[in-house]
Amino acid sequence: GAVVSQHPSRVICKSGTSVKIECRSLDFQATTMFWYRQFPKQSLMLMATSNEGSKATYEQGVEKDKFLINHASLTLSTLTVTSAHPEDSSFYICSARDWGLAQYDTQYFGPGTRLTVL
Amino acid sequence: ILNVEQSPQSLHVQEGDSTNFTCSFPSSNFYALHWYRWETAKSPEALFVMTLNGDEKKKGRISATLNTKEGYSYLYIKGSQPEDSATYLCAFTTSYDKVIFGPGTSLSVIP
Repeated sequence: GAVVSQHPSRVICKSGTSVKIECRSLDFQATTMFWYRQFPKQSLMLMATSNEGSKATYEQGVEKDKFLINHASLTLSTLTVTSAHPEDSSFYICSARDWGLAQYDTQYFGPGTRLTVL
Repeated sequence: ILNVEQSPQSLHVQEGDSTNFTCSFPSSNFYALHWYRWETAKSPEALFVMTLNGDEKKKGRISATLNTKEGYSYLYIKGSQPEDSATYLCAFTTSYDKVIFGPGTSLSVIP
């Protein structure tokens, strides 16, 4: 139980294009989803928290117009990197949380998406 | 600025050796401390969550302890096996629901 999928696992795009990454909770309803970014040899950095049906809360320094997050249902959240540039190349990973399912605030993670912007 | 540190950054041990890692976190505004295991090409997987000072958790050969007063947690692996090779992340949750991950400890178990 508590499986989270993420698609695509790897994407290469040209500079200036937009890329959408999907995060789905497959066997539970996620009241909250999180989006992280990981730079090489660094921690997972929280980008934003989204609750179903409401606007995402972005961490300081994360451009909300550049990283659009939509959490339209209890099983799906999307991250759209708009007008991507090479500096957006990174590993993006989502997680989901449901207080009724998990112990305390345990998060269930997707496998991540490697984005390369040429 | 809240900071979570983990040591060592990486570790190479022989199969059968026991090992331990450290996670250091702020001692104020504590809510929970999580350990996750992240194998290459897979999703991070929850190992333990601890919330009370002095908590000890165990799952098979892996165990963890928590000291909230001094702000550290230890993860122990007894008799390491090659399948234990992974990055081990700790995550600190504050009482105001902010989660901060450490950079991880990368463990390689050599057969």
